[in-house]
Amino acid sequence: GENVEQHPSTLSVQEGDSAVIKCTYSDSASNYFPWYKQELGKRPQLIIDIRSNVGEKKDQRIAVTLNKTAKHFSLHITETQPEDSAVYFCAASDPSGTYKYIFGTGTRLKVLA
Amino acid sequence: DAGVTQSPTHLIKTRGQHVTLRCSPISGHKSVSWYQQVLGQGPQFIFQYYEKEERGRGNFPDRFSARQFPNYSSELNVNALLLGDSALYLCASSWEQGARGYTFGSGTRLTVV
Repeated sequence: GENVEQHPSTLSVQEGDSAVIKCTYSDSASNYFPWYKQELGKRPQLIIDIRSNVGEKKDQRIAVTLNKTAKHFSLHITETQPEDSAVYFCAASDPSGTYKYIFGTGTRLKVLA
Repeated sequence: DAGVTQSPTHLIKTRGQHVTLRCSPISGHKSVSWYQQVLGQGPQFIFQYYEKEERGRGNFPDRFSARQFPNYSSELNVNALLLGDSALYLCASSWEQGARGYTFGSGTRLTVV
């Protein structure tokens, strides 16, 4: 079945710098890749997503890129702010037809003021 | 928009007991999915229900069961609780089975002692 690996597990950046989180997936048939942000003690919230027919998507300071050939996708956050500090999860849709998502293990991002 | 509501928010159970967790999806959403999130890990898929039918099941033992009611709310039941069942149980809703991006509830924190 589908497997998603996420790196790094922790990431510290200075405020204003950029942060990049990378994920790889195993099943080339996966066609939808959401990213979730989870603040401490709160629910995961969808921040951006991308479908397999698109290579890049941007929403203000957040962007996601997808390389289908290499089976990896990345989250880019520019001009980081302290409120960006959270755990970020990537996910891939399971192509088996169950409409479930396979999540990565998460990246704890710390933005240092 | 009331969001996805889950109850209870926290509970403590003893090994061997049974627990029922409840979820009300966003109004108009017909699909409910359940995920287990162990501390420090990404959410793992347990079940998906759409139009009151089970449409997907993850790699969880038969002690886990669920159902969806005519009003699209859902219950997750876990029998014979084990210490390893301690986790945050997340409910997610979407308006149809394959819709992009779940909206997660805030979860139920289950502690088994």
